[in-house]
Amino acid sequence: GAVVSQHPSWVICKSGTSVKIECRSLDFQATTMFWYRQFPKQSLMLMATSNEGSKATYEQGVEKDKFLINHASLTLSTLTVTSAHPEDSSFYICSARPGAGNIQYFGAGTRLSVL
Amino acid sequence: AQTVTQSQPEMSVQEAETVTLSCTYDTSESDYYLFWYKQPPSRQMILVIRQEAYKQQNATENRFSVNFQKAAKSFSLKISDSQLGDAAMYFCAYTVTGNQFYFGTGTSLTVIP
Repeated sequence: GAVVSQHPSWVICKSGTSVKIECRSLDFQATTMFWYRQFPKQSLMLMATSNEGSKATYEQGVEKDKFLINHASLTLSTLTVTSAHPEDSSFYICSARPGAGNIQYFGAGTRLSVL
Repeated sequence: AQTVTQSQPEMSVQEAETVTLSCTYDTSESDYYLFWYKQPPSRQMILVIRQEAYKQQNATENRFSVNFQKAAKSFSLKISDSQLGDAAMYFCAYTVTGNQFYFGTGTSLTVIP
């Protein structure tokens, strides 16, 4: 099956610093990748849709200057949380969609803790 | 607006027994796709089963099967012969194009040995 790798799985950072999370599709090309945020015991909330070679589309209420998304290749998208604050602490999950298919395959998630 | 509702926040099942998780959705579309994803304690989202709305036949994947009722906008998941490894949070999801996924709030399944 399709595999999506997400790194790191857990990161702790100081308030005010930036953190980069990588999402890679290992055995397929993904023209579209997605970034979600999940709070404890809650569902996934779509933050943005990342298209290879173009600007990401952000959901309403998501600060694009705080959550920078880059999708430079068909297998890699990155999410950078800039000037992180404790309220940014959360579980971030990426997913990737192969070609024009309608299935999303998910990474294992990244737990971000901002001190 | 498209919404997905899972009315059972928590469910439990005895090992080897059968359990059904409920999901309803609201849409005005005629062609769409429905999914069940499993999220174990590791937090890795795993695709369990999917159903195309244009197909009348219910999808089946080994011990997992769905009861898809298009008119009622219902998409329940049946897990047969439950195993300890089935314990997880289960999310029902809906999409039209594969871009915008709408997730339910999840059902936490406990499997009792």
